[in-house]
Amino acid sequence: NAGVMQNPRHLVRRRGQEARLRCSPMKGHSHVYWYRQLPEEGLKFMVYLQKENIIDESGMPKERFSAEFPKEGPSILRIQQVVRGDSAAYFCASSEGGTGVYEQYFGPGTRLTVT
Amino acid sequence: KNEVEQSPQNLTAQEGEFITINCSYSVGISALHWLQQHPGGGIVSLFMLSSGKKKHGRLIATINIQEKHSSLHITASHPRDSAVYICAVRSGGSRLTFGEGTQLTVNP
Repeated sequence: NAGVMQNPRHLVRRRGQEARLRCSPMKGHSHVYWYRQLPEEGLKFMVYLQKENIIDESGMPKERFSAEFPKEGPSILRIQQVVRGDSAAYFCASSEGGTGVYEQYFGPGTRLTVT
Repeated sequence: KNEVEQSPQNLTAQEGEFITINCSYSVGISALHWLQQHPGGGIVSLFMLSSGKKKHGRLIATINIQEKHSSLHITASHPRDSAVYICAVRSGGSRLTFGEGTQLTVNP
């Protein structure tokens, strides 16, 4: 059973370009979470999705960021018109269910560098 | 004040020493996680617990719900244990709230 997959592992974008980060959850998991780790800072929650639904996006910046988890295919975190401050490690986690009894399993992360 | 506080921020130990990392939180929780992150690496979940104590190899995690406190212990520490250890809590939903992490260095 493969773990949580994220790609790309490293992504370099120039200011103003778009970044698309992909997350494939573990088999059988229908809950996906995105977290961001800015340089020298702790992890912060961004968004929680189930298939075709955004459940909690209270941690998403109001502009330029969006997330989806379609019926088929990976979850995608999209950042439009990237700025240097978006440079960070973005981690995805998945779980079998959405309550506290279910463990979240983390992917290897995507390290985004904006030049 | 952060909802999740870890101490110490940095910890240096000699190989073989017993190590304790502490985590205090200020909200009601449904579960607490201990995570490990190597430099430039991914995040590995070590424990998820909501009461009592769990043990895996040389690692032990305890939680006291009444005192809102958890500890992670490493027995017979080894240089390969060098990493950042992160405490995270789940409260009022599915999102995790993280501590700032404890940087552990174990010297041979």
